[in-house]
Amino acid sequence: AQSVTQLGSHVSVSEGALVLLRCNYSSSVPPYLFWYVQYPNQGLQLLLKYTTGATLVKGINGFEAEFKKSETSFHLTKPSAHMSDAAEYFCAVRFSGSARQLTFGSGTQLTVLP
Amino acid sequence: DADVTQTPRNRITKTGKRIMLECSQTKGHDRMYWYRQDPGLGLRLIYYSFDVKDINKGEISDGYSVSRQAQAKFSLSLESAIPNQTALYFCATSRPPDEQFFGPGTRLTVL
Repeated sequence: AQSVTQLGSHVSVSEGALVLLRCNYSSSVPPYLFWYVQYPNQGLQLLLKYTTGATLVKGINGFEAEFKKSETSFHLTKPSAHMSDAAEYFCAVRFSGSARQLTFGSGTQLTVLP
Repeated sequence: DADVTQTPRNRITKTGKRIMLECSQTKGHDRMYWYRQDPGLGLRLIYYSFDVKDINKGEISDGYSVSRQAQAKFSLSLESAIPNQTALYFCATSRPPDEQFFGPGTRLTVL
């Protein structure tokens, strides 16, 4: 079955430290890949997406992600965490042949420590 | 103004009651979706619609029904609410290549 796995339901980093949130998917066919962010009491907002082309994708708020086909991964990074980055992050995948549905990971809650 | 709106934002109801959650969008997208969010489970798809005449079940449609009244309106109903339907519900719309735009959510509590 096709699935999306986010390693670590909670990640804590210090302000100014590297942020790394992990996402792996199960599929032999490269899918479309998305990262969303959810701030408290809000809906989900798109951070970045990969469909085709360059495998390193830049998004809003200084985030970027790299599609690695051989590792079936799409990890999210930010060089220097800011207090305002504290939120829940969701990886989402549109698998080939999925009738345009997105499958979401279970989410990673990011805490930024002062 | 919000592009995707949901009403109500919060609702507390009792077991067995019928509940309707409404979603409206001004983005002009044909595709609309209903998800529920539970802690530790991410978002799970309940129903989706590609146009007014095309409605499809998602991963967890049991206990739910939907109505697509117009391109801009997509309602979710719980015919007889039960406590395990307590969750955060999101409506979304999409455009190719499937970037989805989410409403602010409805927090539903079933007592």
